[in-house]
Amino acid sequence: GIQVEQSPPDLILQEGANSTLRCNFSDSVNNLQWFHQNPWGQLINLFYIPSGTKQNGRLSATTVATERYSLLYISSSQTTDSGVYFCAVKSTGTASKLTFGTGTRLQVTL
Amino acid sequence: GAGVSQSPSNKVTEKGKDVELRCDPISGHTALYWYRQSLGQGLEFLIYFQGNSAPDKSGLPSDRFSAERTGGSVSTLTIQRTQQEDSAVYLCASRSPSYGYTFGSGTRLTVV
Repeated sequence: GIQVEQSPPDLILQEGANSTLRCNFSDSVNNLQWFHQNPWGQLINLFYIPSGTKQNGRLSATTVATERYSLLYISSSQTTDSGVYFCAVKSTGTASKLTFGTGTRLQVTL
Repeated sequence: GAGVSQSPSNKVTEKGKDVELRCDPISGHTALYWYRQSLGQGLEFLIYFQGNSAPDKSGLPSDRFSAERTGGSVSTLTIQRTQQEDSAVYLCASRSPSYGYTFGSGTRLTVV
């Protein structure tokens, strides 16, 4: 099945710093999403972005499907950004499921 | 409803007992998924329902696990003869073509 790799696995930032999270995948996809899992375990859908670029406030994401990667940008980080960021993809042509990466654990400190 | 609703939010059960977990998806979403997340791990696919099609059960870890979806809406995940390794957070999601997946808050299952 499709492989999804995220980097870095762990990241510590000081409040106000910017960061870039990366997701590489091993096959062509027709669905890619970024999720934030907060410290209480809730998975929040950040972006549905199988291709192109989207922005939502301090967050933006870019997927280059032909090169099989996606980037999530966090600008001016805040402590509430802490948690785990997951990239999840669905292969083109396969039936159903999203395959999740192992996540990037982000801690934003004061 | 406005989001995906799961119940109970927490469940503690004795080893060997059966448990039922419930998921109420977003109204109108025809696709429904169950995932499992063990402590500190990523999400593991369990089962997928799409409309009236036969479900994709390829992720169910053993025959102790089963799920059904009644009337194309509410889904129940049943675990029979629970084992300690079944302890995890069970997450349900429904999907729209334009917005992707929306997850519920999950059921934290602890088998003692």
